Amino acid sequence: AQSVTQLDSHVSVSEGTPVLLRCNYSSSYSPSLFWYVQHPNKGLQLLLKYTSAATLVKGINGFEAEFKKSETSFHLTKPSAHMSDAAEYFCVVSENSGGYNKLIFGAGTRLAVHP
Amino acid sequence: EAQVTQNPRYLITVTGKKLTVTCSQNMNHEYMSWYRQDPGLGLRQIYYSMNVEVTDKGDVPEGYKVSRKEKRNFPLILESPSPNQTSLYFCASSLLETQYFGPGTRLLVL
Repeated sequence: AQSVTQLDSHVSVSEGTPVLLRCNYSSSYSPSLFWYVQHPNKGLQLLLKYTSAATLVKGINGFEAEFKKSETSFHLTKPSAHMSDAAEYFCVVSENSGGYNKLIFGAGTRLAVHP
Repeated sequence: EAQVTQNPRYLITVTGKKLTVTCSQNMNHEYMSWYRQDPGLGLRQIYYSMNVEVTDKGDVPEGYKVSRKEKRNFPLILESPSPNQTSLYFCASSLLETQYFGPGTRLLVL
C-alpha cells in the first residue's frame, strides 16, 4: 500500500523568504503525486500534480515541486512567501484501487507567514 | 461554474439523531467520494462511488451510509451519530486522477 509522510506539521517563514514543505512517499510503482492547499474555512484546492511527465512541476501561485524518485520525495517550494500563502498544505499520492484512483493524504503541514 | 456543493455547511446535533449531508456536482463526473478531516490525520476516505448505484467502503466507513441514485448527487447519511463523528467532512468528485472538493461541512455531535 502507498503512503505519504509530511515531515513537518508546522512551518513558519517570514514574508519574502523561501518556502519548503517536505513530503516523502512510499509506492511500489511510479506514482501520481499532488499538492493541495486548504485556506482557513475553505475547501481544498489543487496546487499542482505530477503524473510521470517532467519531474519539476509548476503549479499555481508560484509554487513548484520536484519529483525525486531516488529519494522518494516530492517537496513543495516557493521562492518568496506571501502573507496569502498562510494555509494548510497536503501532499497526496494516488493509488489505483479496482479501477478507481484513490487519494492517500499526508497529515498536512500548516504554513504560517509572518510580516 | 463547475463546482461541488455541500449542505449544510455547519451542523450541531445530538447523539442518535439521524442526519444527512448532501453533496452535488455539476461536472458529470462518475467518481465521487466522502472524506473526513481530523487534526493531525489529514483526510481519510469514508465511502466512494464509481458510478450510479455503485458504492464501496473507504478506510473509515463505520457509522456512515451513502447512496448514489443519480450521477450528480452523493449524500452521506449518519443513522445514529456519535460524538466521535464530530469532524470536518468533504465531498469530492473526480475526473481521472484530479479530485474537486466541496467547501466542507463542519459537524458537531453532542
